[in-house]
Amino acid sequence: KAGVTQTPRYLIKTRGQQVTLSCSPISGHRSVSWYQQTPGQGLQFLFEYFSETQRNKGNFPGRFSGRQFSNSRSEMNVSTLELGDSALYLCASSFRPGGNQPQHFGDGTRLSIL
Amino acid sequence: AQSVTQLGSHVSVSEGALVLLRCNYSSSVPPYLFWYVQYPNQGLQLLLKYTSAATLVKGINGFEAEFKKSETSFHLTKPSAHMSDAAEYFCAVSGQAGGTSYGKLTFGQGTILTVHP
Repeated sequence: KAGVTQTPRYLIKTRGQQVTLSCSPISGHRSVSWYQQTPGQGLQFLFEYFSETQRNKGNFPGRFSGRQFSNSRSEMNVSTLELGDSALYLCASSFRPGGNQPQHFGDGTRLSIL
Repeated sequence: AQSVTQLGSHVSVSEGALVLLRCNYSSSVPPYLFWYVQYPNQGLQLLLKYTSAATLVKGINGFEAEFKKSETSFHLTKPSAHMSDAAEYFCAVSGQAGGTSYGKLTFGQGTILTVHP
């Protein structure tokens, strides 16, 4: 069974640009969550999607957005990139939403802003 | 609001020694608790989870954790460390249904485990 797939693995952008990251969940998993990992702030929750609807959102500015498609694949978009957006962005999937549902993570997309 | 505190950002043990990584949580209701491991340039791998069944939870790679409500702790242990255990470990909490933290993982700051030969 394939795991969570995130593309691309690495991205280099400049300030002011926008970027789109992609996540394909484990087959059969319908819930997708996104997290940002930085050395200073650690792992922080961005948002969660289920059935193409955003169910929960973390404390990030509106420049961070996401969506989920009917096949459960998800994308997140960051507009007007800032230096502080440099991070590892992790996608996680679970069979369904729920606190007791273990989330399975992809290897992440490492975004570097120049 | 939920929070997780991992005591010790770095833990160093000898190969074959006991591994003990500490995690304390703050939650108004019994939470769901998880331990994840992250190897360099990889994502997070689930080690084990507590979801209100048995308080002693066994996970992969010989790890286990004990949920102690009175101490609000969920420490991770392994009787004998192996070189391959060197990685960063994260404790995480998720809330009960109906709360704003339901399904959202809140992580501790992580503990880097070093294993010496």
